[in-house]
Amino acid sequence: GAVVSQHPSRVICKSGTSVKIECRSLDFQATTMFWYRQFPKQSLMLMATSNEGSKATYEQGVEKDKFLINHASLTLSTLTVTSAHPEDSSFYICSARDRWGPRYNSPLHFGNGTRLTVT
Amino acid sequence: GNSVTQMEGPVTLSEEAFLTINCTYTATGYPSLFWYVQYPGEGLQLLLKATKADDKGSNKGFEATYRKETTSFHLEKGSVQVSDSAVYFCALSEINAGNMLTFGGGTRLMVKP
Repeated sequence: GAVVSQHPSRVICKSGTSVKIECRSLDFQATTMFWYRQFPKQSLMLMATSNEGSKATYEQGVEKDKFLINHASLTLSTLTVTSAHPEDSSFYICSARDRWGPRYNSPLHFGNGTRLTVT
Repeated sequence: GNSVTQMEGPVTLSEEAFLTINCTYTATGYPSLFWYVQYPGEGLQLLLKATKADDKGSNKGFEATYRKETTSFHLEKGSVQVSDSAVYFCALSEINAGNMLTFGGGTRLMVKP
């Protein structure tokens, strides 16, 4: 089945540093990938939609200069948390849809997530 | 806008008990409905889905029926196991919303031996 690889699974960084999270579709091509954030004991919140070859679309309230998204190829999207602060500590999950899947309601395939802790 | 409401957890059951996790939704069009599961330390996995009214999605002993008249998609399992302990998310997607998923708040299930 379709696999999405997300790396790293855990990262601890110091306040003020930047962290890059990678999301790769291993056996399919994804023109669109989604980045979610999960706060403790809360649901997933869509942060942005990453489009291959163009700028990401950010949800309201998400700082695009803070959360840089790059979708350089059909199999790779990256999320960079710039100048991280403790309040950015969270669980980040990416997902992708097979570009050649059914246009209507193709399932999303999720990465295993990245737990970011900013000290 | 679209929204999904599911029962708050945690839900604690003994092994072999019957499980129901309620999920209701609001949508402007005709959504597809999903249940995702998040096992400890892992990402989300699609558990089951239904794309139109009266469809029943099923997988691993779990079932959910798309009820348009009650705008519900309740998750059920006749006999839970310890390995079913996880967080379950109800979600919908709608073509008018670009097929993006809208998630419910998640329900943590804890099954005790």
